[in-house]
Amino acid sequence: DGGITQSPKYLFRKEGQNVTLSCEQNLNHDAMYWYRQDPGQGLRLIYYSQIVNDFQKGDIAEGYSVSREKKESFPLTVTSAQKNPTAFYLCASTQWDGHSGANVLTFGAGSRLTVL
Amino acid sequence: GQQLNQSPQSMFIQEGEDVSMNCTSSSIFNTWLWYKQDPGEGPVLLIALYKAGELTSNGRLTAQFGITRKDSFLNISASIPSDVGIYFCAGLDRTYKYIFGTGTRLKVLA
Repeated sequence: DGGITQSPKYLFRKEGQNVTLSCEQNLNHDAMYWYRQDPGQGLRLIYYSQIVNDFQKGDIAEGYSVSREKKESFPLTVTSAQKNPTAFYLCASTQWDGHSGANVLTFGAGSRLTVL
Repeated sequence: GQQLNQSPQSMFIQEGEDVSMNCTSSSIFNTWLWYKQDPGEGPVLLIALYKAGELTSNGRLTAQFGITRKDSFLNISASIPSDVGIYFCAGLDRTYKYIFGTGTRLKVLA
């Protein structure tokens, strides 16, 4: 089955450490996105990538970094510069075409990061 | 960053009742999406809308793309306990960014 795999599901980090969240998709989607979700709140865009080797900052990119070396993979690094990294992180992807079902964002199951 | 105005923020309803929620924006969107999220999971797509005025159903769910392209609503008929969760709207802007609503938390009382 095609889908998006995020790992790990749960991650604990000490202050000052960088951590990398994995996101892999086998949907052959061109575009990939990272969102952050805090309790009781909506989704805020961190970074997005429309194509391999290219990505753009979202609304809350400070303290985060990404890479897009392969179409299937879009890892997110939470750096020590991110002052409040404890949150639920969601990866998503989509394909731009004219067919029915286009422009639909498909999500992974999420990764919960807790800073100790 | 921009977020859509989604209302109500939360609601408690009796099983069997109908539910209505909506999203409004100051910007025009070409696509509206409605998602449901269970605790600790990623959002799952319920309905996608592509044209102004479009009315689309998925089982007990019905959603409409507003004529002005700045709003959308979602109706759930005859609610059941498994409808509990957070419902999000999302609009796709011209820069290919998805803007999300703040969510409607639904609780169904059996």
